[in-house]
Amino acid sequence: NAGVMQNPRHLVRRRGQEARLRCSPMKGHSHVYWYRQLPEEGLKFMVYLQKENIIDESGMPKERFSAEFPKEGPSILRIQQVVRGDSAAYFCASSPDRGLNQPQHFGDGTRLSIL
Amino acid sequence: AQKITQTQPGMFVQEKEAVTLDCTYDTSDPSYGLFWYKQPSSGEMIFLIYQGSYDQQNATEGRYSLNFQKARKSANLVISASQLGDSAMYFCAMREGSYNFNKFYFGSGTKLNVKP
Repeated sequence: NAGVMQNPRHLVRRRGQEARLRCSPMKGHSHVYWYRQLPEEGLKFMVYLQKENIIDESGMPKERFSAEFPKEGPSILRIQQVVRGDSAAYFCASSPDRGLNQPQHFGDGTRLSIL
Repeated sequence: AQKITQTQPGMFVQEKEAVTLDCTYDTSDPSYGLFWYKQPSSGEMIFLIYQGSYDQQNATEGRYSLNFQKARKSANLVISASQLGDSAMYFCAMREGSYNFNKFYFGSGTKLNVKP
Protein backbone atom coordinates (compact mmCIF):
# COMPACT_ATOMS: atom_id res chain seq x y z
CA ASN A 1 0.00 0.00 0.00
CA ALA A 2 1.74 3.12 -1.22
CA GLY A 3 2.16 5.97 1.21
CA VAL A 4 1.39 9.62 0.64
CA MET A 5 3.03 10.65 -2.62
CA GLN A 6 4.24 14.18 -3.14
CA ASN A 7 5.88 15.59 -6.21
CA PRO A 8 8.09 17.11 -7.11
CA ARG A 9 10.53 16.42 -4.30
CA HIS A 10 12.41 19.61 -5.10
CA LEU A 11 11.11 22.63 -6.98
CA VAL A 12 13.03 25.73 -7.97
CA ARG A 13 11.22 28.84 -9.10
CA ARG A 14 12.16 32.42 -9.82
CA ARG A 15 10.41 35.26 -8.09
CA GLY A 16 7.08 35.98 -9.74
CA GLN A 17 6.57 32.48 -11.14
CA GLU A 18 3.93 30.00 -10.08
CA ALA A 19 4.58 26.88 -8.02
CA ARG A 20 2.33 23.82 -8.14
CA LEU A 21 2.80 21.12 -5.55
CA ARG A 22 0.98 17.83 -5.89
CA CYS A 23 -0.12 15.32 -3.31
CA SER A 24 -1.75 11.91 -3.73
CA PRO A 25 -3.07 10.63 -0.40
CA MET A 26 -2.79 7.06 0.76
CA LYS A 27 -5.30 4.70 -0.76
CA GLY A 28 -8.59 4.94 1.09
CA HIS A 29 -7.77 8.30 2.65
CA SER A 30 -10.14 11.12 1.85
CA HIS A 31 -8.76 13.75 4.21
CA VAL A 32 -5.78 15.81 3.08
CA TYR A 33 -3.79 18.39 5.03
CA TRP A 34 -1.04 20.75 3.91
CA TYR A 35 1.69 22.05 6.21
CA ARG A 36 4.65 24.36 5.74
CA GLN A 37 7.99 23.93 7.45
CA LEU A 38 10.49 26.75 7.55
CA PRO A 39 14.15 25.85 8.26
CA GLU A 40 14.79 24.83 11.87
CA GLU A 41 11.08 25.05 12.72
CA GLY A 42 8.15 22.74 13.23
CA LEU A 43 5.32 22.25 10.76
CA LYS A 44 2.60 24.89 10.52
CA PHE A 45 -0.91 23.97 9.41
CA MET A 46 -2.11 25.57 6.20
CA VAL A 47 -5.26 23.90 4.93
CA TYR A 48 -7.50 20.85 5.32
CA LEU A 49 -9.45 19.43 2.40
CA GLN A 50 -11.79 16.62 1.65
CA LYS A 51 -12.72 15.60 -1.85
CA GLU A 52 -13.83 18.73 -3.72
CA ASN A 53 -14.16 20.73 -0.50
CA ILE A 54 -11.94 23.04 1.50
CA ILE A 55 -12.88 22.43 5.12
CA ASP A 56 -10.40 24.65 6.96
CA GLU A 57 -8.02 27.12 5.35
CA SER A 58 -7.27 29.13 8.48
CA GLY A 59 -3.52 28.67 8.05
CA MET A 60 -3.35 29.75 4.43
CA PRO A 61 -2.03 33.20 3.53
CA LYS A 62 -4.90 35.27 2.16
CA GLU A 63 -3.19 36.07 -1.09
CA ARG A 64 -1.35 34.04 -3.72
CA PHE A 65 -2.00 30.65 -2.07
CA SER A 66 -4.77 28.27 -3.03
CA ALA A 67 -5.49 24.58 -2.64
CA GLU A 68 -7.80 22.08 -4.22
CA PHE A 69 -8.61 18.41 -3.98
CA PRO A 70 -10.63 17.47 -7.05
CA LYS A 71 -12.86 14.46 -7.38
CA GLU A 72 -10.27 12.84 -9.61
CA GLY A 73 -6.56 13.33 -9.22
CA PRO A 74 -4.19 14.63 -6.60
CA SER A 75 -4.53 17.55 -4.26
CA ILE A 76 -2.77 20.66 -5.53
CA LEU A 77 -1.22 23.48 -3.52
CA ARG A 78 -0.72 26.46 -5.79
CA ILE A 79 1.43 29.47 -5.01
CA GLN A 80 1.20 32.34 -7.45
CA GLN A 81 3.83 35.04 -7.92
CA VAL A 82 6.25 33.39 -5.55
CA VAL A 83 8.53 35.45 -3.33
CA ARG A 84 11.72 34.54 -1.47
CA GLY A 85 9.77 34.07 1.76
CA ASP A 86 7.86 31.18 0.19
CA SER A 87 11.01 29.06 0.31
CA ALA A 88 10.19 26.19 2.62
CA ALA A 89 9.36 22.52 2.77
CA TYR A 90 5.69 21.82 2.09
CA PHE A 91 4.26 18.63 3.50
CA CYS A 92 1.05 16.91 2.65
CA ALA A 93 -0.60 14.49 5.05
CA SER A 94 -3.63 12.27 4.79
CA SER A 95 -5.88 10.28 7.09
CA PRO A 96 -8.80 7.92 6.52
CA ASP A 97 -11.07 9.78 8.88
CA ARG A 98 -11.06 12.49 11.52
CA GLY A 99 -10.78 10.36 14.62
CA LEU A 100 -8.96 12.04 17.48
CA ASN A 101 -6.50 9.19 17.69
CA GLN A 102 -5.89 9.10 13.98
CA PRO A 103 -2.31 9.97 13.07
CA GLN A 104 -1.76 11.93 9.93
CA HIS A 105 0.47 10.11 7.46
CA PHE A 106 2.93 12.41 5.80
CA GLY A 107 4.52 12.46 2.39
CA ASP A 108 8.22 13.16 1.93
CA GLY A 109 7.56 16.84 1.28
CA THR A 110 8.37 19.26 -1.52
CA ARG A 111 11.32 21.55 -0.97
CA LEU A 112 10.56 24.83 -2.68
CA SER A 113 13.44 27.17 -3.41
CA ILE A 114 12.88 30.66 -4.77
CA LEU A 115 15.73 32.28 -6.67
CA ALA B 1 0.67 31.07 23.92
CA GLN B 2 2.46 28.21 22.26
CA LYS B 3 0.34 25.11 21.98
CA ILE B 4 3.37 22.79 22.00
CA THR B 5 6.71 23.60 23.58
CA GLN B 6 9.86 21.58 23.10
CA THR B 7 12.61 23.17 25.17
CA GLN B 8 15.54 21.06 24.00
CA PRO B 9 16.81 22.21 20.60
CA GLY B 10 19.47 19.49 20.64
CA MET B 11 20.29 16.39 22.63
CA PHE B 12 23.16 13.91 22.66
CA VAL B 13 22.90 10.35 23.88
CA GLN B 14 25.29 7.44 23.93
CA GLU B 15 24.32 4.44 21.86
CA LYS B 16 22.36 1.85 23.85
CA GLU B 17 21.36 4.35 26.52
CA ALA B 18 17.86 5.72 27.09
CA VAL B 19 16.93 9.31 26.34
CA THR B 20 13.94 11.49 27.20
CA LEU B 21 12.72 14.22 24.89
CA ASP B 22 10.56 16.83 26.58
CA CYS B 23 7.22 18.14 25.38
CA THR B 24 4.71 20.34 27.17
CA TYR B 25 1.39 21.41 25.77
CA ASP B 26 -1.26 24.02 26.36
CA THR B 27 -4.96 23.47 25.81
CA SER B 28 -8.24 24.07 27.59
CA ASP B 29 -9.91 21.28 25.64
CA PRO B 30 -10.50 18.24 27.86
CA SER B 31 -10.23 15.97 24.84
CA TYR B 32 -7.00 15.93 22.88
CA GLY B 33 -4.44 13.64 21.31
CA LEU B 34 -0.68 13.85 21.49
CA PHE B 35 1.62 12.50 18.80
CA TRP B 36 5.34 12.13 18.27
CA TYR B 37 6.96 12.17 14.84
CA LYS B 38 10.52 11.49 13.74
CA GLN B 39 12.11 13.41 10.89
CA PRO B 40 15.43 11.93 9.67
CA SER B 41 17.85 14.01 7.65
CA SER B 42 16.17 12.69 4.50
CA GLY B 43 13.18 14.80 5.48
CA GLU B 44 10.19 12.50 5.71
CA MET B 45 7.89 12.56 8.74
CA ILE B 46 7.45 9.22 10.48
CA PHE B 47 4.68 8.67 13.02
CA LEU B 48 6.00 7.08 16.24
CA ILE B 49 3.43 7.04 19.02
CA TYR B 50 0.06 8.40 20.17
CA GLN B 51 -1.41 9.25 23.58
CA GLY B 52 -5.03 10.23 24.15
CA SER B 53 -6.00 12.59 26.94
CA TYR B 54 -8.32 10.00 28.47
CA ASP B 55 -5.90 7.11 28.21
CA GLN B 56 -5.19 5.71 31.63
CA GLN B 57 -1.89 4.11 30.73
CA ASN B 58 1.19 5.52 29.10
CA ALA B 59 1.50 4.57 25.44
CA THR B 60 4.28 2.25 24.34
CA GLU B 61 5.44 1.20 20.87
CA GLY B 62 8.52 -0.98 20.83
CA ARG B 63 11.45 1.10 22.09
CA TYR B 64 9.28 4.21 22.30
CA SER B 65 7.20 5.09 25.31
CA LEU B 66 5.37 8.21 26.27
CA ASN B 67 5.63 9.60 29.80
CA PHE B 68 2.25 11.27 30.05
CA GLN B 69 1.75 13.56 33.05
CA LYS B 70 -1.63 15.14 32.54
CA ALA B 71 -1.57 17.50 35.52
CA ARG B 72 1.75 18.91 34.36
CA LYS B 73 0.60 18.94 30.73
CA SER B 74 3.67 17.08 29.63
CA ALA B 75 4.09 14.23 27.18
CA ASN B 76 7.74 13.28 27.10
CA LEU B 77 9.04 10.72 24.63
CA VAL B 78 11.36 8.07 26.03
CA ILE B 79 13.56 6.12 23.64
CA SER B 80 15.17 3.09 25.22
CA ALA B 81 18.37 1.45 24.01
CA SER B 82 19.23 4.22 21.55
CA GLN B 83 20.51 3.23 18.13
CA LEU B 84 22.53 5.21 15.62
CA GLY B 85 19.49 5.25 13.36
CA ASP B 86 17.57 7.19 16.00
CA SER B 87 19.56 10.32 15.14
CA ALA B 88 16.92 12.68 13.75
CA MET B 89 14.61 15.57 14.56
CA TYR B 90 11.72 14.67 16.81
CA PHE B 91 8.48 16.62 16.83
CA CYS B 92 5.71 16.59 19.39
CA ALA B 93 2.24 17.42 18.06
CA MET B 94 -1.25 17.87 19.47
CA ARG B 95 -4.73 17.67 18.07
CA GLU B 96 -7.62 19.13 20.05
CA GLY B 97 -10.84 17.15 20.16
CA SER B 98 -13.33 19.98 20.22
CA TYR B 99 -11.66 23.11 18.93
CA ASN B 100 -9.51 23.38 15.83
CA PHE B 101 -10.03 19.70 15.25
CA ASN B 102 -8.64 19.73 11.77
CA LYS B 103 -5.10 20.70 12.50
CA PHE B 104 -2.08 19.36 14.28
CA TYR B 105 -0.02 21.81 16.29
CA PHE B 106 3.67 21.02 16.14
CA GLY B 107 6.52 21.97 18.44
CA SER B 108 9.80 23.34 17.14
CA GLY B 109 11.49 19.98 17.48
CA THR B 110 14.47 18.39 19.21
CA LYS B 111 17.49 17.25 17.26
CA LEU B 112 18.77 13.99 18.71
CA ASN B 113 22.29 12.82 18.03
CA VAL B 114 23.20 9.28 19.02
CA LYS B 115 26.93 8.81 19.59
CA PRO B 116 28.64 5.47 18.95
